[in-house]
Amino acid sequence: RKEVEQDPGPFNVPEGATVAFNCTYSNSASQSFFWYRQDCRKEPKLLMSVYSSGNEDGRFTAQLNRASQYISLLIRDSKLSDSATYLCVVIQTGANNLFFGTGTRLTVIP
Amino acid sequence: SAVISQKPSRDICQRGTSLTIQCQVDSQVTMMFWYRQQPGQSLTLIATANQGSEATYESGFVIDKFPISRPNLTFSTLTVSNMSPEDSSIYLCSVEGGQSYEQYFGPGTRLTVT
Repeated sequence: RKEVEQDPGPFNVPEGATVAFNCTYSNSASQSFFWYRQDCRKEPKLLMSVYSSGNEDGRFTAQLNRASQYISLLIRDSKLSDSATYLCVVIQTGANNLFFGTGTRLTVIP
Repeated sequence: SAVISQKPSRDICQRGTSLTIQCQVDSQVTMMFWYRQQPGQSLTLIATANQGSEATYESGFVIDKFPISRPNLTFSTLTVSNMSPEDSSIYLCSVEGGQSYEQYFGPGTRLTVT
């Protein structure tokens, strides 16, 4: 079983739509959670951390459900510039490296 | 976040040769990481490089194939040795952000082995 699993998509949504991605992780002792964004032929860039209480940054909302071991990312009012691959990332307690999901590809259509 | 640069940005190499990739950070960092991202795949950690000690390699990666140097707190190199076409990949270095163990990535080195 993979450490982190994501629906690979692709998700094709019209501008202005709301889209949600989910990610599950296997190790209940996992400590830190992130969403990264990766544009084509670019490096991953940190989008936001995910906290137990949930957190919001503009049109983006991230939530963590420890009981069910999943993380979600909600994007409201999608923009063309949101088109990218979104990577779910988990750090296990005591580990100093990140476990990456395979990414969910989003395309926002005009 | 730190500013990270990598050299070269891309290269095309013949099988059997070796390539050394450089990673430079604009601030001192304790830990640097080297990842590989094969076409259409997510990132896989190769090794963790700490200044003043041997690099720690992940399962499936060995020092003879991927020797790493970490001469100071702002620089590291990864060598891909005796290359084969299967080594064609993007190689990325990263550093820890420090707050919640998030990492920041360099722009990557796109390697093609023919």
